[in-house]
Amino acid sequence: AQSVSQHNHHVILSEAASLELGCNYSYGGTVNLFWYVQYPGQHLQLLLKYFSGDPLVKGIKGFEAEFIKSKFSFNLRKPSVQWSDTAEYFCAAFTGGGNKLTFGTGTQLKVEL
Amino acid sequence: DTEVTQTPKHLVMGMTNKKSLKCEQHMGHRAMYWYKQKAKKPPELMFVYSYEKLSINESVPSRFSPECPNSSLLNLHLHALQPEDSALYLCASSPYGQGTEAFFGQGTRLTVV
Repeated sequence: AQSVSQHNHHVILSEAASLELGCNYSYGGTVNLFWYVQYPGQHLQLLLKYFSGDPLVKGIKGFEAEFIKSKFSFNLRKPSVQWSDTAEYFCAAFTGGGNKLTFGTGTQLKVEL
Repeated sequence: DTEVTQTPKHLVMGMTNKKSLKCEQHMGHRAMYWYKQKAKKPPELMFVYSYEKLSINESVPSRFSPECPNSSLLNLHLHALQPEDSALYLCASSPYGQGTEAFFGQGTRLTVV
């Protein structure tokens, strides 16, 4: 069965630090991969997505992610975080066959001033 | 219009009540979803409708009854809920097939008393 795992459950960083959040998926076929962000009390927002092509994808707010097929990974990165990046981050994988979008357990990021 | 609209935004209901959550999209998407999200947890898939037919039911209790009256609307009928059903209920839609992304509504915050 398809699954998505995020290994960092809670991350605390200082402003201007670099960020990398891990995401691994288990599915042998074609997958579409996403990172969503959920700010406190708000709805899910799409940060970036990967369907095919260039494995390095850029999203909104300075985020990027790299798809490494051999490692079944889709890690999220940001060179310099801001206090306003404090939020919950979810990796998700979408397999087209069943139209089933599966989320990872999420990473709570706290950025301190 | 890239919006998924959910009503109501907040709902408080008793355990003997019957209520419905509504979701609407006008993007021509033929896949629609209900997710349940508890605090500090990832969204959990409940139901998927593909071309107005129920294609995935993630073993959801029968006190939750989905309905897709047409390609733009998705309802979730609630009856005899339990306090543990209190959560944020998210609707999403996507084009059907691979290479697609899901668009999420802002959710209905449900409290069962």
